[in-house]
Amino acid sequence: RKEVEQDPGPFNVPEGATVAFNCTYSNSASQSFFWYRQDCRKEPKLLMSVYSSGNEDGRFTAQLNRASQYISLLIRDSKLSDSATYLCVLVPYSGAGSYQLTFGKGTKLSVIP
Amino acid sequence: ETGVTQSPTHLIKTRGQQVTLRCSSQSGHNTVSWYQQALGQGPQFIFQYYREEENGRGNFPPRFSGLQFPNYSSELNVNALELDDSALYLCASSLANRGRFYGYTFGSGTRLTVV
Repeated sequence: RKEVEQDPGPFNVPEGATVAFNCTYSNSASQSFFWYRQDCRKEPKLLMSVYSSGNEDGRFTAQLNRASQYISLLIRDSKLSDSATYLCVLVPYSGAGSYQLTFGKGTKLSVIP
Repeated sequence: ETGVTQSPTHLIKTRGQQVTLRCSSQSGHNTVSWYQQALGQGPQFIFQYYREEENGRGNFPPRFSGLQFPNYSSELNVNALELDDSALYLCASSLANRGRFYGYTFGSGTRLTVV
């Protein structure tokens, strides 16, 4: 089983739609969780951290369920500029202080006019 | 505040050759990591340097090696290039302090093509 698994996508949605991405992880010792966004042929950029209590940033809401080892990202009122690949990322615990990011394969989102 | 800069942006090499990729960390960052991203895949962790010492390594062979310098800039060296080494190589820097991790800032990457 892969360490991080995401919806394979792609997701093609109209402007204004609500879209949800799901991610599961296998390493229960993972300590930090993030969603990154990557535009075509560009570097990944941090979208938001994910906390067990859930967190919201404008149109974006992230949730973490440690018991189910499940992470989600909800985008409301989709904009054309939201078109990108969304990467689920975790940081496994390492006593050596090594903060290795473990990425999912990513889910591509295309928002259509 | 300057971000993470990588050079070169694009590179074409022949199988069997050696390559050195360079990265300047974001100002104030003391940790640098390198990632390999093949087409259609998520980035894969190669290794991490903290204060000039390697303190984490992914599942990559020894022909992938690195350095971090006193100014926290870094190099990734790959020997005996193989066709499968063709990928986007990403450098990411961060500040790590007293066991706390503040997230990574990525450079725009070096796209390596091995022919």
